[in-house]
Amino acid sequence: QKEVEQNSGPLSVPEGAIASLNCTYSDRVSQSFFWYRQYSGKSPELIMSIYSNGDKEDGRFTAQLNKASQYVSLLIRDSQPSDSATYLCAAGGGSASKIIFGSGTRLSIRP
Amino acid sequence: GAGVSQTPSNKVTEKGKYVELRCDPISGHTALYWYRQSLGQGPEFLIYFQGTGAADDSGLPNDRFFAVRPEGSVSTLKIQRTERGDSAVYLCASSFSTDNEQFFGPGTRLTVL
Repeated sequence: QKEVEQNSGPLSVPEGAIASLNCTYSDRVSQSFFWYRQYSGKSPELIMSIYSNGDKEDGRFTAQLNKASQYVSLLIRDSQPSDSATYLCAAGGGSASKIIFGSGTRLSIRP
Repeated sequence: GAGVSQTPSNKVTEKGKYVELRCDPISGHTALYWYRQSLGQGPEFLIYFQGTGAADDSGLPNDRFFAVRPEGSVSTLKIQRTERGDSAVYLCASSFSTDNEQFFGPGTRLTVL
């Protein structure tokens, strides 16, 4: 069974600090990796995609991929209360294909 | 531009009834995906289309579930003889065929009484 594993949380981080979210995946042939943010009662919203080993930065978000360790992470700098949500990690093939989601990590930013 | 749209937003039905859920993808996206999500879980893959054909239907739980995309745009997920366990949010997503960035619609919340 191909799996994506995440700590369910909740992860509580003070406002302004760095939030670090982690994810591991079991399928070594996965080529595309994603972080989605999901607010309660809403659908997932894509915030980062990463395809190569290393870091990818977009504003306050940095995704990190280590294929040798089958590990993906998301860093959120200068955390804001609006970042409080569930963060879903997902892994899939290189081009159009299904993606396998983790169960999500609940993040809470405390003022 | 317009995002992925799904109708209805909510559907309440009785056990044993037939339901259809509709998805209209982002214009120009050739790949369309169906997932379902239960409370506290991540989306679970059901089926995806590349154009008009189902490229991977390995996630459909049984033969009560069927999906079509006859003209390569709008898709309909059909569930026959609904069961209470089918209650979930059904999510549709679309993407360009050259990458795998999938953009989700608002979902249809299905409740089977």
